Amino acid sequence: DSGVTQTPKHLITATGQRVTLRCSPRSGDLSVYWYQQSLDQGLQFLIHYYNGEERAKGNILERFSAQQFPDLHSELNLSSLELGDSALYFCASSVREAINEKLFFGSGTQLSVL
Amino acid sequence: SQQGEEDPQALSIQEGENATMNCSYKTSINNLQWYRQNSGRGLVHLILIRSNEREKHSGRLRVTLDTSKKSSSLLITASRAADTASYFCATAPYGNNRLAFGKGNQVVVIP
Repeated sequence: DSGVTQTPKHLITATGQRVTLRCSPRSGDLSVYWYQQSLDQGLQFLIHYYNGEERAKGNILERFSAQQFPDLHSELNLSSLELGDSALYFCASSVREAINEKLFFGSGTQLSVL
Repeated sequence: SQQGEEDPQALSIQEGENATMNCSYKTSINNLQWYRQNSGRGLVHLILIRSNEREKHSGRLRVTLDTSKKSSSLLITASRAADTASYFCATAPYGNNRLAFGKGNQVVVIP
């Protein structure tokens, strides 16, 4: 158990809908990262938050947004969903901001858009 | 964005044999990390090697880093069926606050 909690584990929805994925980092970790994993694209970095502030953006679509709350949990919002958004979404956490340490990954949310 | 590229992408070996995977990257890095992912589950960190290190060991794992060739290798010695997983290298480029992952190596250890 990595200590990172992601909910829900599975999500099935229809095109055009909006969903929210939730992540609770390990106790004491201030950084939260979101990744998308699909067969064709592999693991793609989406966004990084540190102590409530956005620090880096990757290949995140404009239809996607995220935030980190004062209690450090984070939410990834996906709207106007398309079939191609079906993927495994991971969040990971680390203590500090800089990527000089390992990340702890949650078990992911499997999103299926039908 | 720069990513590691693992080679070979799929490997099938007998239990007890060694498994070697390679990773290449394109730009200067702070460090390189290896992660393991069991089918459909979260990634688990295995080892981190910094740019000023050449070799690192952790249990049955040995990682090398050659910054002149921009490549790294992961060796798993005396493999076990439980080592069956996908292995990813990830790089942290200088000045870039993100970890970029390669596409992964699938390793199957046959009992």
